[in-house]
Amino acid sequence: DAGITQSPRHKVTETGTPVTLRCHQTENHRYMYWYRQDPGHGLRLIHYSYGVKDTDKGEVSDGYSVSRSKTEDFLLTLESATSSQTSVYFCAISGSSGDNEKLFFGSGTQLSVL
Amino acid sequence: KQEVTQIPAALSVPEGENLVLNCSFTDSAIYNLQWFRQDPGKGLTSLLLIQSSQREQTSGRLNASLDKSSGRSTLYIAASQPGDSATYLCAAKNNAGNMLTFGGGTRLMVKP
Repeated sequence: DAGITQSPRHKVTETGTPVTLRCHQTENHRYMYWYRQDPGHGLRLIHYSYGVKDTDKGEVSDGYSVSRSKTEDFLLTLESATSSQTSVYFCAISGSSGDNEKLFFGSGTQLSVL
Repeated sequence: KQEVTQIPAALSVPEGENLVLNCSFTDSAIYNLQWFRQDPGKGLTSLLLIQSSQREQTSGRLNASLDKSSGRSTLYIAASQPGDSATYLCAAKNNAGNMLTFGGGTRLMVKP
């Protein structure tokens, strides 16, 4: 399995509080992604990174920010959590070419915003 | 905007049957297409990746094909086993940008 870990695995928080999810990789891959998965909506891209300090928005980026200060770490922050952000969050990584372009996913973070 | 559709949403077959899962996409300008497997409560596992210049990829009992002109990809599973029970998702990456667009998945159950 690709070396990718997410923390925490589960999180319960209250509306209006900030939350940070962490993704750590040991594969030295260039690209890192944050997705959310919801029933009826499937997997949707929140933000992605194509290098240290290089990030871009996905299709559902409102209310989320990201940072990548090191190749191995990609942080997702909910500045002020809302109930609509209750979801399962997945981090993924991929390389730049050929078979390395396969996406490898972490185990997910179940986030509940009460 | 790319749209990816997987039909049927759920499929139940007896063990040993050969089966085909379908994936259709609206924009034929794809860079590659990937198939994934997801078990309940788990992350996605990459199965096969087909580049736009390829017609198919094989791994063990799995074979994925790509027909850009018709906007279709299929995942063929030979001699299905109960352990193949999972949700299978396809995702298309377009030539422009780094985003993958995922289909809604097909939930497969293989009965012993």
